[in-house]
Amino acid sequence: GEEVAQTPKHLVRGEGQKAKLYCAPIKGHSYVFWYQQVLKNEFKFLISFQNENVFDETGMPKERFSAKCLPNSPCSLEIQATKLEDSAVYFCASSLGGAEETQYFGPGTRLLVL
Amino acid sequence: KNEVEQSPQNLTAQEGEFITINCSYSVGISALHWLQQHPGGGIVSLFMLSSGKKKHGRLIATINIQEKHSSLHITASHPRDSAVYICAVAIGAQKLVFGQGTRLTINP
Repeated sequence: GEEVAQTPKHLVRGEGQKAKLYCAPIKGHSYVFWYQQVLKNEFKFLISFQNENVFDETGMPKERFSAKCLPNSPCSLEIQATKLEDSAVYFCASSLGGAEETQYFGPGTRLLVL
Repeated sequence: KNEVEQSPQNLTAQEGEFITINCSYSVGISALHWLQQHPGGGIVSLFMLSSGKKKHGRLIATINIQEKHSSLHITASHPRDSAVYICAVAIGAQKLVFGQGTRLTINP
């Protein structure tokens, strides 16, 4: 597609529950990035992929967060045992050539952990 | 101290004014992005720069690699320019590091 698609738009979870977010990059884009924005504040980088390979995961809290980009499937970001502080908008972006090229952002998934 | 610092954090101006938003960074970068986040939350890429200057309509972006500084200018500002403007630097091809954003309000 010509736009980055993210589902769901909104997600509500009780503390300790699992949350799974999806991202379909623009067709032909090899790079996918996940970012977290808490309370309309600063964006935090989580993880990037080059095709199905993890490119950089230095931003991921690995004990509870995991992500995948498998061929012919939307990319996913999964949070096991959600915490209140995971409440945020999670944005996915894709690009042709990594972070040095224009990034196209999806509309975001708003996660609320109660 | 953040690796990417923007100023000002908030800016209110009257329609028609010339706007400047500044971004300074302290790390080695391969490119710098200016992004716009609309009040509804959507994010649009305005510019990607690795040197010099770019212009698109009423928007101009400049970067000085030696001084580790970039500016975003808006000429003849309009209320529809009201948004959060974000500077983000590319650390290699792997990731972006973001500034804290500048909230711009243009009053009619």
